[in-house]
Amino acid sequence: GENVEQHPSTLSVQEGDSAVIKCTYSDSASNYFPWYKQELGKRPQLIIDIRSNVGEKKDQRIAVTLNKTAKHFSLHITETQPEDSAVYFCAATVTTSGTYKYIFGTGTRLKVLA
Amino acid sequence: GAGVSQSPSNKVTEKGKDVELRCDPISGHTALYWYRQSLGQGLEFLIYFQGNSAPDKSGLPSDRFSAERTGGSVSTLTIQRTQQEDSAVYLCASSFQRREQFFGPGTRLTVL
Repeated sequence: GENVEQHPSTLSVQEGDSAVIKCTYSDSASNYFPWYKQELGKRPQLIIDIRSNVGEKKDQRIAVTLNKTAKHFSLHITETQPEDSAVYFCAATVTTSGTYKYIFGTGTRLKVLA
Repeated sequence: GAGVSQSPSNKVTEKGKDVELRCDPISGHTALYWYRQSLGQGLEFLIYFQGNSAPDKSGLPSDRFSAERTGGSVSTLTIQRTQQEDSAVYLCASSFQRREQFFGPGTRLTVL
């Protein structure tokens, strides 16, 4: 069935270091891959997304890469800061029989140590 | 403009009671999604609306769960005969066609 796997489940980095979170998806028809950041007790917020016709997208310290052949996509955060500490979720869209839904990864808890 | 809103923000109920959770999407957003998030867990897809119709109900955990959307706007998620395992945060999100999803603040449901 439709599935998105996300690794690692927890990640601790020193302030200023880089963090990488990886996801794999199962549906080869998936064409939109958003990343959400969820701070404790708050709603998920979109931080970056990528569509299947692009291999990489960057926004300041955040970048996402997509390998459609391997069905992998990754989030890269450079020069991490304490405020980057949160849970990050990847997602992939699934389109079947007229429906359009998102399947989320299980989340990565990122801790940036000052 | 206003974002997605949900009510109530918190709901405590006794096992066996019915509850109704409400979602007000962003005006003009055609798609509406319900998710469930258990403590420390990921986002579990429940149901998706396109306009007033629900092409995908595959995520509803049991027949105690139902949802409707009226006027292409407000949606209610109803849980009948609540069980303790229903305790979670229920999140609603809306989007315009197939664009970015915006999430509401969630309803924290506690079943005693």
